Amino acid sequence: AQKVTQAQTEISVVEKEDVTLDCVYETRDTTYYLFWYKQPPSGELVFLIRRNSFDEQNEISGRYSWNFQKSTSSFNFTITASQVVDSAVYFCALINAGGTSYGKLTFGQGTILTVHP
Amino acid sequence: DGGITQSPKYLFRKEGQNVTLSCEQNLNHDAMYWYRQDPGQGLRLIYYSQIVNDFQKGDIAEGYSVSREKKESFPLTVTSAQKNPTAFYLCASGPGRGNTIYFGEGSWLTVV
Repeated sequence: AQKVTQAQTEISVVEKEDVTLDCVYETRDTTYYLFWYKQPPSGELVFLIRRNSFDEQNEISGRYSWNFQKSTSSFNFTITASQVVDSAVYFCALINAGGTSYGKLTFGQGTILTVHP
Repeated sequence: DGGITQSPKYLFRKEGQNVTLSCEQNLNHDAMYWYRQDPGQGLRLIYYSQIVNDFQKGDIAEGYSVSREKKESFPLTVTSAQKNPTAFYLCASGPGRGNTIYFGEGSWLTVV
C-alpha cells in the first residue's frame, strides 16, 4: 500500500515570510515518483515538480525549492519570500513505477496556504 | 490547443439518475485518471487506466463506472448507486511510467 501524509492542514503567513510545506510518504516499491501540485481557487491542479526515487538532489526554481530525503521518506517544499499569489492548496503525491499498484497516483490531504499582505 | 478537456463544467442531477462526465485529451497520453474532491478535502482516486481497453479500480470505485475504448477518451459514469455524488471531479492524463500527470479543469456535480 502507498500513502502520502501532509500533516499541516493550514498554514498562514505574512507576505515575504518563508514557509515550508511538509510531505511524508510510504511505499514498498523501490522505484517511485513524487510530485507537488498547486490548486488555486479556480480548482485546476497545476504541476510544480516531479522527482524520481533515485535522484535525491534538492531543486530550486525561483522562489520555490524542494528537499527530498529518502532516509526520512520526506519531500518538503519551501517557498521563499512568499507572496499573496502563492495562496492556494498544495498537494504532494506519489506514483509507483512497479508492483501491483503500478501507475496509481496517490495524493496527500493537501495544505491550505494563506499569505496575508 | 493541446490539453485535457472536461465537460460539462457544472452539472446538476436528480437523485436516482445516472450521469456521465466527459474527459478528452489530445496529448497522446497512455494513462488517464479520475479523482473526486470534496470541499476542503484531498483527492481520492476513483478509476485509472494505463492503456486502452484496460482500467483498474481506485480507492472509491463503488457507484462509478468507466470505459476506455479510445486512447483519448475516458468517460466517467456516476450511477444512482453512488450515495453521495455531489463533489468536484477531476480528470488527469499522463504518458505513464511515472511521467508527469496533468489535470483538466474539473467538473462540478450537484445532486438536487
